[in-house]
Amino acid sequence: DAKTTQPPSMDCAEGRAANLPCNHSTISGNEYVYWYRQIHSQGPQYIIHGLKNNETNEMASLIITEDRKSSTLILPHATLRDTAVYYCIVRPGNTPLVFGKGTRLSVIA
Amino acid sequence: GAVVSQHPSWVICKSGTSVKIECRSLDFQATTMFWYRQFPKQSLMLMATSNEGSKATYEQGVEKDKFLINHASLTLSTLTVTSAHPEDSSFYICSARSAGTDNSPLHFGNGTRLTVT
Repeated sequence: DAKTTQPPSMDCAEGRAANLPCNHSTISGNEYVYWYRQIHSQGPQYIIHGLKNNETNEMASLIITEDRKSSTLILPHATLRDTAVYYCIVRPGNTPLVFGKGTRLSVIA
Repeated sequence: GAVVSQHPSWVICKSGTSVKIECRSLDFQATTMFWYRQFPKQSLMLMATSNEGSKATYEQGVEKDKFLINHASLTLSTLTVTSAHPEDSSFYICSARSAGTDNSPLHFGNGTRLTVT
């Protein structure tokens, strides 16, 4: 039972920033926000996670609203290889991931 | 770091036979691994939680006698699909978490595509 809501699909022009939204209005205080992506016929790839502060790594940035009810994953310069299904998942730290339907991002040349 | 390897990457078997899938954490120890199944155009569904040295915990609707899980070491968990049938054809994926704080991310293998003829 996924606790997040994501748009089913999005398009992004190559080289532009891709901003993927996620709503998690029922998030609990001990739940982290995790982002994964799945490229066709591969296992999910970890991207980033956070609790309440914004996070950045070599792949992406994660912006979490102050009330923690929503977040945005930002891919700063999308490439064709970023085409994938992106999953936003909230969970306490020591439990398995429950996947929703995610957002299918298509990066267009 | 934190690499999870699955073997085989694909397998075709005849109906009624059994198939074993291995999941290894290559550069870390994993006391807990998770097994997922994914049907075409659907999301991943958690099947079971594999605990090193103890019995696996299965999700509701997953037959424990059909999907045998063994987690005999801190780096290896196996899933055996017994008496496979065509409806068991699916993409099976394992994941594991490296030691550290409880919020450390899960890392996934590249999956095993099972086709039962």
